[in-house]
Amino acid sequence: EIVLTQSPATLSVSPGETASLSCRTSQTISTNLAWYQQKPGQAPRLLIYASSTRATGVPARFSGSGSGTEFTLTISSLQSEDFAVYYCHQYNNWLPVAFGPGTKVDVK
Amino acid sequence: QVQLVESGGGVVQPGRSLRLSCAASGFTFNIYAMHWVRQAPGKGLEWVAVISYDGRNQYYADSVKGRFTISRDKSKNTLYLQMESLRPEDTAVYYCARGENGGEFAYWGQGALVTVSS
Repeated sequence: EIVLTQSPATLSVSPGETASLSCRTSQTISTNLAWYQQKPGQAPRLLIYASSTRATGVPARFSGSGSGTEFTLTISSLQSEDFAVYYCHQYNNWLPVAFGPGTKVDVK
Repeated sequence: QVQLVESGGGVVQPGRSLRLSCAASGFTFNIYAMHWVRQAPGKGLEWVAVISYDGRNQYYADSVKGRFTISRDKSKNTLYLQMESLRPEDTAVYYCARGENGGEFAYWGQGALVTVSS
């Protein structure tokens, strides 16, 4: 079973700044990793899949990178609507499906 | 457009049963694997179960194996989760999600709250 670790647990950022979120996996997963954004009371929203491909309608300020066991989600020039919780999800060894514990991005 | 709408949530006593439904529309239902994912209050996402596009294969998280059953009805474009022997720790918002060919979850329902309490 693959375990995902996200850091930091909470990231305090000022609007307009850049946020970098980390996701590490306990086994190599090539680029089979997705990132989701979740706001309070809402379902998760797919942002990035295949490590670096933006989902339909996702702004260009969201970018993903990494392969193997280390991955990064970068949010450039943070907007007010970007303050949320972000989860990574591996689907290389797709059973059991595994999510990271999440990183909360809040206002500094 | 793709829509997933869950229903069937509610308050149930420990040990009782409940069935969730997820009505799918806007896409060809019987060519996609479908998943249930849950989220306990204030906690992260926990995958629950998956069913293959044709309904022949089902897999479960260890935490629900033997108690929950995932199924689908292609004539109704509906996904189900039958939950038996419910426990307080099953309290969560339950989401259905479409599994894309690559494995990511591009579409999610709005969620159904299940509260297990006496």
